Amino acid sequence: ETGVTQTPRHLVMGMTNKKSLKCEQHLGHNAMYWYKQSAKKPLELMFVYNFKEQTENNSVPSRFSPECPNSSHLFLHLHTLQPEDSALYLCASSHKRRSSDTQYFGPGTRLTVL
Amino acid sequence: GESVGLHLPTLSVQEGDNSIINCAYSNSASDYFIWYKQESGKGPQFIIDIRSNMDKRQGQRVTVLLNKTVKHLSLQIAATQPGDSAVYFCAESWASGGSNYKLTFGKGTLLTVNP
Repeated sequence: ETGVTQTPRHLVMGMTNKKSLKCEQHLGHNAMYWYKQSAKKPLELMFVYNFKEQTENNSVPSRFSPECPNSSHLFLHLHTLQPEDSALYLCASSHKRRSSDTQYFGPGTRLTVL
Repeated sequence: GESVGLHLPTLSVQEGDNSIINCAYSNSASDYFIWYKQESGKGPQFIIDIRSNMDKRQGQRVTVLLNKTVKHLSLQIAATQPGDSAVYFCAESWASGGSNYKLTFGKGTLLTVNP
């Protein structure tokens, strides 16, 4: 296993619900990432945090709200999602936000929006 | 198990054969490339990387080849085993200004190893 954990592994929610995804890395990394993985599409980068500061938001709708309280933890708060938001949400971490820093991924949260 | 990426390009090989998975990248300014393996129900796992100043790099049973002229990357797996069955995808990285860089991923190839 990679040292990046995600909970829950599976989540089913209605469009009016509010839920949160959690990611924790035990690798001593300083950069953390949220990705969305949908069927038939490449991995889509959503957010990047470097030393707890958000450095990238790739035009993600505001119904997704990230939070990074420290370098080891990353959350993705979800509210009023749409069925098309159903996907595998992956968290990753790397030592720093550099080109050559390998990103290590968690197992993902399989999200289904009804 | 879960299926990641329906209707992906697929490659089916016999156990013990060599596998070659190809990837065309898009940005001639990309200077770093990574191959990931994703097994059903798991997150992507780093396999091997290569910088743009190299054209070949070898790991344990895996070799990555880079052809910058045609923007092509390949992953060769020697003596493929059933445990190699997974989706493989490449990623390219390039500097996007200042200290920032962009990393984009391909759709992936589903490798199936038949015993």
